[in-house]
Amino acid sequence: DTGVSQDPRHKITKRGQNVTFRCDPISEHNRLYWYRQTLGQGPEFLTYFQNEAQLEKSRLLSDRFSAERPKGSFSTLEIQRTEQGDSAMYLCASSLGGGVNTEAFFGQGTRLTVV
Amino acid sequence: QKEVEQDPGPLSVPEGAIVSLNCTYSNSAFQYFMWYRQYSRKGPELLMYTYSSGNKEDGRFTAQVDKSSKYISLFIRDSQPSDSATYLCAMSPNTGGFKTIFGAGTRLFVKA
Repeated sequence: DTGVSQDPRHKITKRGQNVTFRCDPISEHNRLYWYRQTLGQGPEFLTYFQNEAQLEKSRLLSDRFSAERPKGSFSTLEIQRTEQGDSAMYLCASSLGGGVNTEAFFGQGTRLTVV
Repeated sequence: QKEVEQDPGPLSVPEGAIVSLNCTYSNSAFQYFMWYRQYSRKGPELLMYTYSSGNKEDGRFTAQVDKSSKYISLFIRDSQPSDSATYLCAMSPNTGGFKTIFGAGTRLFVKA
């Protein structure tokens, strides 16, 4: 499977715990995006990387959230001191550049439940 | 008011019907308009991509953009049960992708 891969698919955690998600983009894609999607809503942009550089962060990305993309390959999204409001689907997408007709391919997401 | 408004449905149609899905938006800076399909427990997949106003056709799918009315549509002809999914409109002021704003999605059910 050469698509965007996310791990784990599901995560249940207790409030206050830290969690980390991983995204493996399509191998030649230089751009990587993280989105959050809650039930009945569309994806909301969190942050994006071009190669290893984090170029944009949404105001949704509080201080408890941190994302990395070492060496411009896979990326991790960590949430510290999780809150019930963090329960959502976390989607990763990747693309080759950002020009017209550039398609971003989404992974299947990591569904986080904070209890 | 949200930047992008989309009726969440659900919309239920018989197989073979023409489906019309719509979004309105408020930001006149949006230049790129997209429709994504999302099956249950899957990530969104891009269906159609349109720049500025006009129509674009791809098989059974037609996307329309009316920038003067800030209104976009997706038409599905000869709908099939396999078209049952959530359809998300999305739009962006640039090609960077990271400023893309998604609608809430419309759930579509096509009955055999």
